[in-house]
Amino acid sequence: DQQVKQNSPSLSVQEGRISILNCDYTNSMFDYFLWYKKYPAEGPTFLISISSIKDKNEDGRFTVFLNKSAKHLSLHIVPSQPGDSAVYFCAAKGSSNTGKLIFGQGTTLQVKP
Amino acid sequence: GAGVSQTPSNKVTEKGKYVELRCDPISGHTALYWYRQSLGQGPEFLIYFQGTGAADDSGLPNDRFFAVRPEGSVSTLKIQRTERGDSAVYLCASSLTSYSGELFFGEGSRLTVL
Repeated sequence: DQQVKQNSPSLSVQEGRISILNCDYTNSMFDYFLWYKKYPAEGPTFLISISSIKDKNEDGRFTVFLNKSAKHLSLHIVPSQPGDSAVYFCAAKGSSNTGKLIFGQGTTLQVKP
Repeated sequence: GAGVSQTPSNKVTEKGKYVELRCDPISGHTALYWYRQSLGQGPEFLIYFQGTGAADDSGLPNDRFFAVRPEGSVSTLKIQRTERGDSAVYLCASSLTSYSGELFFGEGSRLTVL
């Protein structure tokens, strides 16, 4: 039972263009959503998050959008840079105070120069 | 360094053997987590410590897996009678609080069971 799904295993975009990574979830009790970025041979690093009471959060080139009715969130990267090439994981957290995250399968982003 | 440190970075063992994986969290972080990542999948939650106690061990797959954090800092994940299906990257993470979900991950310990 995959509660958090990233249906696109990979995405390739040209440098300077927009990258859009998508994530769907099934559990309406999730109240916090996060994106992590992972380079090869490194652990995931936190990128950006959004609370379920918001529909948008922006941090520099990164914006996360949340559509609660559709149980869908997306990460927009504008403009994309070659250094953004990595695996991106969507994660969701329930309201319990344990910090337990449910991760999606990841999307590999390649930004071509 | 100031990050989460995990040892060993690579471990190759034979089926049936016992394995210990160590995690040294960021100083001052009271919350510590173990996750497991198989090829092509996202990290899968195993266990969460708040201080010395395991506050949530619902992700441990079976009783061959056990983790301790006796002094509220370093943690050890212990796997008994390893099986080939245990092969994965075991990730440790820590955080100041457990509320935000913003975790600091180590580089992981890659376990291969032959």
